[in-house]
Formats: sequence, C-alpha cells, structure tokens
Amino acid sequence: AQSVTQLDSHVSVSEGTPVLLRCNYSSSYSPSLFWYVQHPNKGLQLLLKYTSAATLVKGINGFEAEFKKSETSFHLTKPSAHMSDAAEYFCVVSDDYGQNFVFGPGTRLSVLP
Amino acid sequence: ETGVTQTPRHLVMGMTNKKSLKCEQHLGHNAMYWYKQSAKKPLELMFVYNFKEQTENNSVPSRFSPECPNSSHLFLHLHTLQPEDSALYLCASSQEEFQGTSTDTQYFGPGTRLTVL
Repeated sequence: AQSVTQLDSHVSVSEGTPVLLRCNYSSSYSPSLFWYVQHPNKGLQLLLKYTSAATLVKGINGFEAEFKKSETSFHLTKPSAHMSDAAEYFCVVSDDYGQNFVFGPGTRLSVLP
Repeated sequence: ETGVTQTPRHLVMGMTNKKSLKCEQHLGHNAMYWYKQSAKKPLELMFVYNFKEQTENNSVPSRFSPECPNSSHLFLHLHTLQPEDSALYLCASSQEEFQGTSTDTQYFGPGTRLTVL
C-alpha cells in the first residue's frame, strides 16, 4: 500500500527567498509522484509529475522537485518565492495502474512581503 | 480552463433535501473520480468509474450515490446528508492506460462547496 507524508502542515517564507516543501512516500511499486497546488476557492492544479524518467522534474511557475529513491523523498523547491505562490500544496503518489492516487495531508505555504 | 467542469459551484442544503452534483469532462478520458476535501483533512477518494463502470467505493455511506451515464458525465446524488458532510467535493478524470506503469495524471475540476445545515 502506498502512503504519503508531508512533514510540515504550514511553511512560511519571505518573498524572494527559497521555498522547500517536503514529501516522503512509501510504495510497493515504482511510483509515479505528483505535486498539486490549490489556491483559495479554486480547484487543484498539477504543478509537476515524476514518472520514472529524469529524477529532477521541472514544473510550472518555476517549481521543481527531485525524486530520491534512496530517501523515498520528492521534495518541492523554488529558488525565489512570489506572493502568488501562497496556497495549499499536495504531494501525491499513484500506483502502476494510474488508478489509485494517494494524497498527502497538504502543506499550506504563506509568503510574507 | 481545465477541461473538467462542475456544477453547482456552491450548494447549501438541509438534511432532508435531495440534490445532485454534476461533473463533465471534455478531455476524452475514460476514468472519472469523486473526492471529498474536508477542512484540515487529506483528500479522500470516494468513487472511481472506469469506462462507466464503478471500480471503487471507498466505504462511502449510502447517502452518497454516484451515477456515470457515459464517460463524459459523472453525478453525485445526495440524500439525507449530515452536517459533517459539509466539504468541497472534487471531480477528476484521467485517461485510463492499463500498461503496467502508468504515466497518466488526473485533471481536477474546481469543486462544489457543499454546506449541510
């Protein structure tokens, strides 16, 4: 069975400083991993996904994530935070059939001026 | 525009009401999903439909009844709900690729925010 842990329920950074949102997973399979973002009163939006190709994945809005199998991690980073990045971020793992998606509890990112 | 639309966007209902949530996807996908997002809780998968057939029911109470008349439409019928059912209900779709290692992803609608009085 898969599971996802997001170690921080809330992260607060200043505008212009780096962002690190942590995600660890467990899976019996070779997992596909995703990061989604949800802005207030809006639906989920896919940021990026890892599907057994390059371990460093680049996504939209300057975000990227690195798959580290030895650490079972898929942390999300961005070099410089922008006010518009304030949102809820979800790490997701799926099984080989792409049918069962397990969501982490989410990390709320606050960006201070 | 994500290609997945949900109506209504907001719904307030009493515990004795009957209402339905509608989801429509214009992406040509074969799998559709209902999720529940409650405050301070992870997303919960409720139902999965693959080629119009229900393949998963995650122990959802019978007061929630899904319907998938075709691969583009998904409904969630609501009856005698409880206040704790108040949440954001998200619909998603994906292109079902049964090839061992899927590279597929899910596309989510904006959700219906449901309040049960």
